Amino acid sequence: EIVLTQSPGTLSLSPGERATLSCRASQSVSINYLAWYQQKPGQAPSLLIYNTFRRATGIPDRFSGSGSGTDFTLTISRLEPEDFAVYYCQQYGSSLTFGGGSKVEIK
Amino acid sequence: QVQLVQSGAEVKKPGASVKVSCKASGYTFTSNYMHWVRQAPGQGLEWMGIINPSGGSTTYAQKFQGRVTMTRDTSTSTVYMELSSLRSEDTAVYYCARDVNLRGPDYWGHGTLVTVSA
Repeated sequence: EIVLTQSPGTLSLSPGERATLSCRASQSVSINYLAWYQQKPGQAPSLLIYNTFRRATGIPDRFSGSGSGTDFTLTISRLEPEDFAVYYCQQYGSSLTFGGGSKVEIK
Repeated sequence: QVQLVQSGAEVKKPGASVKVSCKASGYTFTSNYMHWVRQAPGQGLEWMGIINPSGGSTTYAQKFQGRVTMTRDTSTSTVYMELSSLRSEDTAVYYCARDVNLRGPDYWGHGTLVTVSA
């Protein structure tokens, strides 16, 4: 099973700042099978990025994904108030696994 | 639009079983696999398994093998997840989530809270 490790656990930033979230895999992940989700309190996760860098429908371009192999990154270029949430990376190889999550909180 | 409507909250005693339903609409039910994912209070996301609504084949996460059963009813576009031998650690919100091209979920249900308590 591929283990995904996200860092940092919590990121304290102000609106307008840039957020960079990391997702490291225990073994190589195909770029076709790496996704990112956003989850707000009391809500189901929602798909942000799939295939490492493709934005899901309706996702603003301040969200971008990159990476390959074992290192992947989600970048939010300028934080909006609605972006403060928990973010999970996910891979789907022989089984599906999620990272432990990174919380982006208001500083 | 794609909608996944799940059954309501459940309270179960340890040792019992729970069956959660997920009714799909807004797309061709048999065209997309369906995942089940759970989230314990204050914790992260945990994948339980996947079902192919077309043929009914399933793949379960090793952790849940022998305790989980996923089924579907094509006449009502509904998938089911049954978890047996419940223990307190199974208290969680259970989500169904539609798969896209076997790369992971896109649309998610609203979640079903299952509480296991004596």
